[in-house]
Amino acid sequence: SQQGEEDPQALSIQEGENATMNCSYKTSINNLQWYRQNSGRGLVHLILIRSNEREKHSGRLRVTLDTSKKSSSLLITASRAADTASYFCATDNFGSSNTGKLIFGQGTTLQVKP
Amino acid sequence: DAGVIQSPRHEVTEMGQEVTLRCKPISGHDYLFWYRQTMMRGLELLIYFNNNVPIDDSGMPEDRFSAKMPNASFSTLKIQPSEPRDSAVYFCASSFSWQPQHFGDGTRLSIL
Repeated sequence: SQQGEEDPQALSIQEGENATMNCSYKTSINNLQWYRQNSGRGLVHLILIRSNEREKHSGRLRVTLDTSKKSSSLLITASRAADTASYFCATDNFGSSNTGKLIFGQGTTLQVKP
Repeated sequence: DAGVIQSPRHEVTEMGQEVTLRCKPISGHDYLFWYRQTMMRGLELLIYFNNNVPIDDSGMPEDRFSAKMPNASFSTLKIQPSEPRDSAVYFCASSFSWQPQHFGDGTRLSIL
């Protein structure tokens, strides 16, 4: 069963605008990660937020985590054409044995128009 | 530093043929993951290894799929016999402990 689900599935914005993507998950987690995938390439890790954190920043990225709602958001500020990619959230399944296994959502496809 | 290296990048073969995908993880990483990505099903974890030992193969779709990791620097994913529904992009990823995963650029597999 799918752990993470992103919303929206697709997003198209103009360069310079902000882009917000949301992720919902089902079970308790240790941490939540966001990855980017450019067309024809593998996924690249962007940022990790732990379950005891509420917000984290990295450059133009801002991630929030609400464990009570089992949701996270990724905000990209001042978007650039180079941000055009698919973005995935990934969670681990917290349990008696933390295995490092991640479950990925279906992703949000972001298009930034120059 | 070299990243995760996968080969071949593209593979086109006829159904019924054996397909072998290869992966070289990042040196020092102790976890290796094989994923399959399709438009319909997204990114699915097939199997993963810790210190060369298979830990969870519950995502392997059928007995036609097998994976091995004979040493810390090499892994294979084999499909025998292949079927058209196996067409997908297959990714290998590696990580150190619970650290974020590093992905290769994938093998685009087409079964005719």
